[in-house]
Amino acid sequence: ILNVEQSPQSLHVQEGDSTNFTCSFPSSNFYALHWYRWETAKSPEALFVMTLNGDEKKKGRISATLNTKEGYSYLYIKGSQPEDSATYLCAAPWGKLIFGQGTELSVKP
Amino acid sequence: DTGVSQDPRHKITKRGQNVTFRCDPISEHNRLYWYRQTLGQGPEFLTYFQNEAQLEKSRLLSDRFSAERPKGSFSTLEIQRTEQGDSAMYLCASSLDSGNQPQHFGDGTRLSIL
Repeated sequence: ILNVEQSPQSLHVQEGDSTNFTCSFPSSNFYALHWYRWETAKSPEALFVMTLNGDEKKKGRISATLNTKEGYSYLYIKGSQPEDSATYLCAAPWGKLIFGQGTELSVKP
Repeated sequence: DTGVSQDPRHKITKRGQNVTFRCDPISEHNRLYWYRQTLGQGPEFLTYFQNEAQLEKSRLLSDRFSAERPKGSFSTLEIQRTEQGDSAMYLCASSLDSGNQPQHFGDGTRLSIL
């Protein structure tokens, strides 16, 4: 059974702080790792799809790294802003996506 | 690209009633997925289609749940004899045919069972 875990479950930071969270997944039979951002009252939005060990992807102030050998990915947000407040989900594809439970980020002005 | 649309956005119904939700995917996407999300959890897989074929259905899904995608375009998810535990956000997503393609989600249908 494919199990995807995220930590922490929630995070409260001040505007301007940099932050990071973790996604862990089974390293065997790795195919890809997805990151999504889900803002309240909106639909989940794809951030990154990562496939290569050691890969690093960046979108504005958000970046992600991937270690397929040890089975983890980090998502970093540099200089958090209130508009970054959302739930960040990682997921591994197994036909459908298997999601972690998400990290809820709250950025206070 | 009009995105994935779901209807209705909210549904409130009494326990025991049947409900049906609709999802219109992005037109060129051949895969369509249904997920359910409850408070504090990530989306949980329900079922998915490739074109009109239902490829997988979660074992967690009881016989009260059924989904169709009759012409390989829009899909419906029906819940019969709703129960309190069915209250959740039901999300639809679509994608091209590959696990390394991102899924595009609709805004979801929030179901509340009274």
